[in-house]
Amino acid sequence: AQTVTQSQPEMSVQEAETVTLSCTYDTSESDYYLFWYKQPPSRQMILVIRQEAYKQQNATENRFSVNFQKAAKSFSLKISDSQLGDAAMYFCAYRSAEWGGSEKLVFGKGTKLTVNP
Amino acid sequence: NAGVTQTPKFQVLKTGQSMTLQCAQDMNHEYMSWYRQDPGMGLRLIHYSVGAGITDQGEVPNGYNVSRSTTEDFPLRLLSAAPSQTSVYFCATLPNFPQNSPLHFGNGTRLTVT
Repeated sequence: AQTVTQSQPEMSVQEAETVTLSCTYDTSESDYYLFWYKQPPSRQMILVIRQEAYKQQNATENRFSVNFQKAAKSFSLKISDSQLGDAAMYFCAYRSAEWGGSEKLVFGKGTKLTVNP
Repeated sequence: NAGVTQTPKFQVLKTGQSMTLQCAQDMNHEYMSWYRQDPGMGLRLIHYSVGAGITDQGEVPNGYNVSRSTTEDFPLRLLSAAPSQTSVYFCATLPNFPQNSPLHFGNGTRLTVT
């Protein structure tokens, strides 16, 4: 079974600075998908960014980018020019591409990000 | 388009009571699932369904029951509530394709069992 590990329960960053959230995963599969979700205090789960394992290029969405290292099974999220609205819980998640495993996601335990003004 | 609708948003139960958390979707997604979120534990899968009439257990299924009679609805039943079931519950849907699709979440139900 796949596992996802987020080793930083809490992180903090100064407004306008850059922060990187770590995520590692364990799988024997070669094809899969990785996601970062943001959960603000409203409890809503918001997709931040996704990465296909077969793509070598790292995904980017505005101020959010990932560093995907397939061999190292690492999928870190970099937030540039941090804003107060980025304060939230961030979850890393894995989705298998294989039949019989793609119907669910496996989540890490989350990282709580605080943005200081 | 409502997406994923979860009701209720909040619920307080006494130990031993039963209740049903409702989940409805209008996106025609094949996959539906229930997760619970506890502090420091992330989201853990309770039950999931790959289509009408088909359900399966996730990581933490004990004390919960599900059924899926239609594509749209996937209720979660607590048979005899226990304090350990105090949590935030999320219903989520997923299309079969494309496979890089993310989960679509409802807004969650905060359940307290006293």
